[in-house]
Amino acid sequence: EDQVTQSPEALRLQEGESSSLNCSYTVSGLRGLFWYRQDPGKGPEFLFTLYSAGEEKEKERLKATLTKKESFLHITAPKPEDSATYLCAVRELTGGGNKLTFGTGTQLKVEL
Amino acid sequence: NAGVMQNPRHLVRRRGQEARLRCSPMKGHSHVYWYRQLPEEGLKFMVYLQKENIIDESGMPKERFSAEFPKEGPSILRIQQVVRGDSAAYFCASSPRVRGIDGELFFGEGSRLTVL
Repeated sequence: EDQVTQSPEALRLQEGESSSLNCSYTVSGLRGLFWYRQDPGKGPEFLFTLYSAGEEKEKERLKATLTKKESFLHITAPKPEDSATYLCAVRELTGGGNKLTFGTGTQLKVEL
Repeated sequence: NAGVMQNPRHLVRRRGQEARLRCSPMKGHSHVYWYRQLPEEGLKFMVYLQKENIIDESGMPKERFSAEFPKEGPSILRIQQVVRGDSAAYFCASSPRVRGIDGELFFGEGSRLTVL
């Protein structure tokens, strides 16, 4: 069974203090690793898809990287508006469609 | 707004009543998914539908839950005889599929069900 584990569960940063969120996964075959951002009371907002080890994607202050066993979401010089829960999910190689297995998320709070 | 539309956003039901949640996918998307988020838990896959077809319902509870995506109109997630444990946020998502390749999954804002 696919497993996705995110760490830390919660992270508090000062504005400008860079850090990384971790997502480790166990799948029989990977057909995509996804990062989403979720604000309280809202639906998950798509950030990135990574498909193969060594791949990197960037968007503003966020950069996602992928290895064969884990993914990192690097946050450079965060701002208070980056505060949210960040979700990682995997899509397995077998089967079709977007049946994703999600981790429980990292709750990020960025303070002034 | 061309995003995934869900309604109602909030729904309160008493034990034993029925809950119906509706979802209209993004324009151009023909694949709809329902996920459930229980308090303090991650998002869990429930069901995958295309127009008039259930493709994968491996995450649906065996009883009381059903889903459909008719030829015309929104997708419906129906929960009969609700119990307190059904209280959760129910998210609908849609994705495109082009030449056999699944695109990214886009979520709606969710429907929050409270069972009294």
